[in-house]
Amino acid sequence: DTGVSQDPRHKITKRGQNVTFRCDPISEHNRLYWYRQTLGQGPEFLTYFQNEAQLEKSRLLSDRFSAERPKGSFSTLEIQRTEQGDSAMYLCASSLSGGPYYEQYFGPGTRLTVT
Amino acid sequence: AQKITQTQPGMFVQEKEAVTLDCTYDTSDPSYGLFWYKQPSSGEMIFLIYQGSYDQQNATEGRYSLNFQKARKSANLVISASQLGDSAMYFCAMREGTGAGSYQLTFGKGTKLSVIP
Repeated sequence: DTGVSQDPRHKITKRGQNVTFRCDPISEHNRLYWYRQTLGQGPEFLTYFQNEAQLEKSRLLSDRFSAERPKGSFSTLEIQRTEQGDSAMYLCASSLSGGPYYEQYFGPGTRLTVT
Repeated sequence: AQKITQTQPGMFVQEKEAVTLDCTYDTSDPSYGLFWYKQPSSGEMIFLIYQGSYDQQNATEGRYSLNFQKARKSANLVISASQLGDSAMYFCAMREGTGAGSYQLTFGKGTKLSVIP
């Protein structure tokens, strides 16, 4: 079990550019979550997939954000026309369905800096 | 209103001593789960312990225990015999309900624990 992996670990981009992050969940997990964490705050929920279906989106997920999980395995999170306010740690988590308490396992995160 | 409140921005504890990190929550849903995660400086969130709203006993996992007081809506984390490696941010989180929209976790702002040798 290799755990949840995220790529890249760090991304520096200029305002207005598009960026894409990848998350590979634990292989047998069919649920996948994206969170955003800004400095000094706890993670905030962005969106959630069960298999390939995106079942829930936060109001934090503006039109510039899009997430996909095309084959129910890895997921991508794209931010278009990045703004300085998008600078944050983007965390991915996965979990089993039907588990006793839906424990979520987190990846190491992708730290985005928008200059 | 904040759903999860952690009132201690920072805490210090002597190595080998016990420490309690506070967490209060706000929900009207009778079914919910409470989680504690540890986040070292490396950034990865590490699951520590879980308490369900219907659980009769306080959860324990090794050196971690959860002091669950349902009427007071508090779910404090107790770490016994603190170790230097316990120095990290600690987050309390809640999942409300059991339906399709209930899988997201709502986190508090965290408590930074520093263990002093």
